Formats: sequence, structure tokens, C-alpha cells
Amino acid sequence: GENVEQHPSTLSVQEGDSAVIKCTYSDSASNYFPWYKQELGKRPQLIIDIRSNVGEKKDQRIAVTLNKTAKHFSLHITETQPEDSAVYFCAASKLDGSSNTGKLIFGQGTTLQVKP
Amino acid sequence: KAGVTQTPRYLIKTRGQQVTLSCSPISGHRSVSWYQQTPGQGLQFLFEYFSETQRNKGNFPGRFSGRQFSNSRSEMNVSTLELGDSALYLCASSLRDMNTEAFFGQGTRLTVV
Repeated sequence: GENVEQHPSTLSVQEGDSAVIKCTYSDSASNYFPWYKQELGKRPQLIIDIRSNVGEKKDQRIAVTLNKTAKHFSLHITETQPEDSAVYFCAASKLDGSSNTGKLIFGQGTTLQVKP
Repeated sequence: KAGVTQTPRYLIKTRGQQVTLSCSPISGHRSVSWYQQTPGQGLQFLFEYFSETQRNKGNFPGRFSGRQFSNSRSEMNVSTLELGDSALYLCASSLRDMNTEAFFGQGTRLTVV
């Protein structure tokens, strides 16, 4: 069935360093890949997303890359700050041809700690 | 505009009971999905509704069910509660499907004792 593997499960970096989180998906028909950030006790919030017709997308300090051949995508955070500390989830979905919908399959999450 | 609202925020139930959780999506959003979040399993997809129809279902037992009303508000029900059902239940809404940005509610924290 559909599956998304996310690594690492925890990541600790010094403020100002870069952080990279990687995800691999199983369904080659997946075509939408969002990343969510969940701060402690809060709801997940979308921080960036990418579609299968694009290889890379950047938004200020955050970037996502997609390799469709290898079926993996990564989140890159540069110049990390303490407020970047949170749990990050990758997800994948696809449009279902029969019902024109998709369901988000999430990775297990990465707890990022940025040390001041 | 108002975000996704879930009620109640916290719930304590006894094994064997049933529970109903409610989700009000962002105005204009027609797709509502439900997820179970636990420390060990992450975010697991339960089901998705659009225009009062269930379009997708995850791998959960039949004790988990849901519905959507004509105003797009959704409810999920869990019958014969088990200890393992203790989790944060999140709903998310989007304009038409989960290939567009999904907005999450704060969740309902269910504890089964």
C-alpha cells in the first residue's frame, strides 16, 4: 500500500546551521508533496509544498527538492533559528482518477531542535 | 476568516463507550479529512468526505465512522472504545481535495481509561 518513510526521526543542530529532512514514498503515482510544521501543542501548518512537475521550490530559508525517479523528496532549512524547533512532517498524495480526490499519507515526523 | 474548529478539545471516556467528535471546516471548503495522531504512529489517515460522501477511507476498523453534513461540517464516531484509541484526532479541510493546501484544526485529545 501507500507508504512514506521519513528520516531522521530526531535532528539537533546549532543555530545558524542547515537542517535536511528526507522522505521516500512508495506510490509512483503520487503527485503532491506538502511539508507541515507542528509546534508543541499546536496544529500542523503547511510550510511549503511541491508538485511532481517541479524539481525544486524555495521560500526564503526553506526549500524542497523532489526526485521522482528515486521517489524521494527533501526539506532544507538554512540559517536555522530557535523558532524553527518543531516536529516536521512530510506527506504525499495523488489524485485518484475515479474520484478526483487524494488522501495525504504522512511520514513519521522529524523532531528538529535548534540550539541557541 | 475563521479557521478549522474542532470540538470538544479534550475528552475522557471509558472503555466500551462511544464518542462523537465534531469538525467545522473553513467557510467554502468542501473537503474534510480526519487523522489520528499518536506518538508512535504519527498521523494516520482515517477518512475523507466531500459533499456529504465518503471518498476515501484509511485502514481503520469499522468502529471508526464519520459523516458530513450539507454545510460541510463533519463528525466522526468511534464505538466500543479501546485503550488504544487514545490519541489526538485532527481534522483538516481544503477547498476541493487533499491535493490542495489542507488546513488543520487544533484537534480533539481523546483519552480512554
